[in-house]
Amino acid sequence: GESVGLHLPTLSVQEGDNSIINCAYSNSASDYFIWYKQESGKGPQFIIDIRSNMDKRQGQRVTVLLNKTVKHLSLQIAATQPGDSAVYFCAETPRGTYKYIFGTGTRLKVLA
Amino acid sequence: EAGVAQSPRYKIIEKRQSVAFWCNPISGHATLYWYQQILGQGPKLLIQFQNNGVVDDSQLPKDRFSAERLKGVDSTLKIQPAKLEDSAVYLCASSRTRGGTDTQYFGPGTRLTVL
Repeated sequence: GESVGLHLPTLSVQEGDNSIINCAYSNSASDYFIWYKQESGKGPQFIIDIRSNMDKRQGQRVTVLLNKTVKHLSLQIAATQPGDSAVYFCAETPRGTYKYIFGTGTRLKVLA
Repeated sequence: EAGVAQSPRYKIIEKRQSVAFWCNPISGHATLYWYQQILGQGPKLLIQFQNNGVVDDSQLPKDRFSAERLKGVDSTLKIQPAKLEDSAVYLCASSRTRGGTDTQYFGPGTRLTVL
């Protein structure tokens, strides 16, 4: 079946360090991937996306890497800040569908 | 531009009661989604509207859940009767077009507690 999962449920990093959040997906036909950030009591907030014809995409302080060979997605956050503390979700869109399938999330804790 | 609006933010009811949630999407967005997010899990799509038509309701428990978007703008999700396992955050999202590679923008959600 279709599923998107995460390797680590909780990630703790020191303020100023780089963070790497990982995600495995199972549907090799997925052609679009998205990362969302969800702070406590708020709805998910779009961070960055990547299409399957790319293997890397950069935003402001964030980079998404896609490895289709092993069906792995990662989100890198440079110089992690206290405001980055949240739960991060990856989601995939299987080709030919119009919906997001979300994973279970990774909680990022930034230590002062 | 204003974001996705939802109300109420919190709701506590007893099992077998009814409840309704309201969503107003971003102006001009044709597609509206309702998700259920159980604590510790990612959002799960319940229903997707394109304007006022249903695109996907395959994961909507139709024996107790219903949703409508009569004028193609705001939407209501109803649960009748509620069960304990319906306790969750109900998120509304919208996108400019049908979805897929079109970014979905989420509202703050309604936290439902069923006692």
